[in-house]
This record gives sequence, structure tokens and C-alpha cells, in this order.
Amino acid sequence: LAKTTQPISMDSYEGQEVNITCSHNNIATNDYITWYQQFPSQGPRFIIQGYKTKVTNEVASLFIPADRKSSTLSLPRVSLSDTAVYYCLVGPMNYGGSQGNLIFGKGTKLSVKP
Amino acid sequence: DTAVSQTPKYLVTQMGNDKSIKCEQNLGHDTMYWYKQDSKKFLKIMFSYNNKELIINETVPNRFSPKSPDKAHLNLHINSLELGDSAVYFCASSQYREDYGYTFGSGTRLTVV
Repeated sequence: LAKTTQPISMDSYEGQEVNITCSHNNIATNDYITWYQQFPSQGPRFIIQGYKTKVTNEVASLFIPADRKSSTLSLPRVSLSDTAVYYCLVGPMNYGGSQGNLIFGKGTKLSVKP
Repeated sequence: DTAVSQTPKYLVTQMGNDKSIKCEQNLGHDTMYWYKQDSKKFLKIMFSYNNKELIINETVPNRFSPKSPDKAHLNLHINSLELGDSAVYFCASSQYREDYGYTFGSGTRLTVV
């Protein structure tokens, strides 16, 4: 599975837009990009997934350039409750079995201040 | 109506003991997993399991064994616990070929003393 590189930490203030970039230079043709959020003492929670261009849901947007070697998670108008660790993962869509075991990196610790 | 539930939430035990962690999912997913999160917050896959296939991460000691009585349950048995087994263990599930990712449980914090 493709290795990912993210900033270790980021700071922001309430109401700001936060963009977290992930590098995945050796992404494969059948790989998708998925982001998870983890609060202390909880399991990771799925945020968004995409393959190319832009994906948006009620929580975030995901921007993927044409070469797919990086991606950016965009969180609009963050609040204190968005303080968490954000993981970028790259892997095939076929979850389950040997094809779908997600590998988590260190993630980005986002701290939102008042 | 918790989607993926694990018990117990906390487990403190002595070295050498045998313990189990239970996991249940009510999502109808066909694949379940166990992950280990160490003190440095790395999440590492230990096992993935569906009705047809058990995939074991080769770095997992054979003291760890998954037990699945049915599709909705995947328990984790650990024999002869060691200090290095102290970590948070997460159960997760997913549906093959669907794109909404994994659903994780809230974790079991295991402390071996």
C-alpha cells in the first residue's frame, strides 16, 4: 500500500478553514484516498474518500490534483470540537481480506483554539 | 444502537494471564478487523476476517488469536500476556466493495502489569 506523508501537527482558530495536505507519491492506479478522524479515547471515524478531482460531503472537502500524488482535506470553519488527529490513507477500494487492510500513518494532530 | 461495540473498555491484568476482548457489529458487514494502537499512536492491523478468509499480519505473535463464532462477532484471545502487549485494541468492520470505509469500535485499553 502507498506510503503517505502528513504534517505532524497543525494549529488553527475557531471559524477558520483548515487544509491538511497528504503526500502519496507512489499511489497506484486502483488506490483511493481516504481520511479518518480520531478523538482521544475513541476509534477512528471515516470522514471522506475520493479518487480524483474534488469530493464534498457535509463534513469536509477532498481535493485531489490530476497526478494524484497528493491530496488536501479541507475543513470549513473549524470549531473546538474539530480538535483531533486526522489520518490520510491510500489503498484499494476492495475492503476486506488481503486487498483492503488499511495502514494508518502517524496522522496530523489538529489543535483548534478559541 | 452502537454499530461496533467492544468489551471491556478497560482491562488491567498481570503478566502471564490469558484474556479475551469481545467485539460485535450490528451493521451487517461481512469483514471484521482487529487493530492495535501503541503508545506512539500508530494504528497497526492485526487481523482481518470474513467468512472465507483469515488474514494475519505476520508481525503478530501467535499468542494472539481471533475467534469468530458468527459473522457479527470477532473476539480477540491473548495468551501469556506480556508487558509489551499494553496498548489500545480497536475492532472494526467493513462491507466488501462499498465505499464508506471502516467503522471502528471505541477501543479497549489493555494494561499489563
